[in-house]
Amino acid sequence: DTGVSQDPRHKITKRGQNVTFRCDPISEHNRLYWYRQTLGQGPEFLTYFQNEAQLEKSRLLSDRFSAERPKGSFSTLEIQRTEQGDSAMYLCASSLQGGANTDTQYFGPGTRLTVL
Amino acid sequence: DQQVKQNSPSLSVQEGRISILNCDYTNSMFDYFLWYKKYPAEGPTFLISISSIKDKNEDGRFTVFLNKSAKHLSLHIVPSQPGDSAVYFCAASAARGQAGTALIFGKGTTLSVSS
Repeated sequence: DTGVSQDPRHKITKRGQNVTFRCDPISEHNRLYWYRQTLGQGPEFLTYFQNEAQLEKSRLLSDRFSAERPKGSFSTLEIQRTEQGDSAMYLCASSLQGGANTDTQYFGPGTRLTVL
Repeated sequence: DQQVKQNSPSLSVQEGRISILNCDYTNSMFDYFLWYKKYPAEGPTFLISISSIKDKNEDGRFTVFLNKSAKHLSLHIVPSQPGDSAVYFCAASAARGQAGTALIFGKGTTLSVSS
């Protein structure tokens, strides 16, 4: 049983560029979440998918951010026209609806984004 | 307005002693609480959880206590080990199982266990 994986682990980009991150959840998990964590803070919720449907979005998710989960498996998070304030750790988590420990979210290692 | 608060940014404990990490919440709709441990440059690792219908849950060296009337929970680690040194996050959610709701996290407490 592999855990949640994220790619890349680190990304350095220049302001104004677009970046895309990928998340592969635990294989049988039907729920997938994206969070953002900045220094000294806990993770903050961005968005959530159940299967391929995006069911909830935080007000933190500006229109420069878009997330997809086209086949209900892996997900991508794209940030367009990056700004220095987007520098953070982007975390993906997954959970299984209806199983034991329902809604216990398991996190991946994160993607560290640095915008220069 | 922080809904989940960890008021102690850091805690230092000697190896073998008990570590007690505290968490307060304000939203009475929260019904599921979790503790995560995080090492630098890694994602949070799930430790233990508790439903609002319980007041205690134990897993090995880790015990979580929930006091709903005080809106307070605590994580006890006994005995503490140097490998427990990490940042510990308290998290809460509402409507458990009904929808994939967001976890609301505290800011974390850095635990240092000295040998």
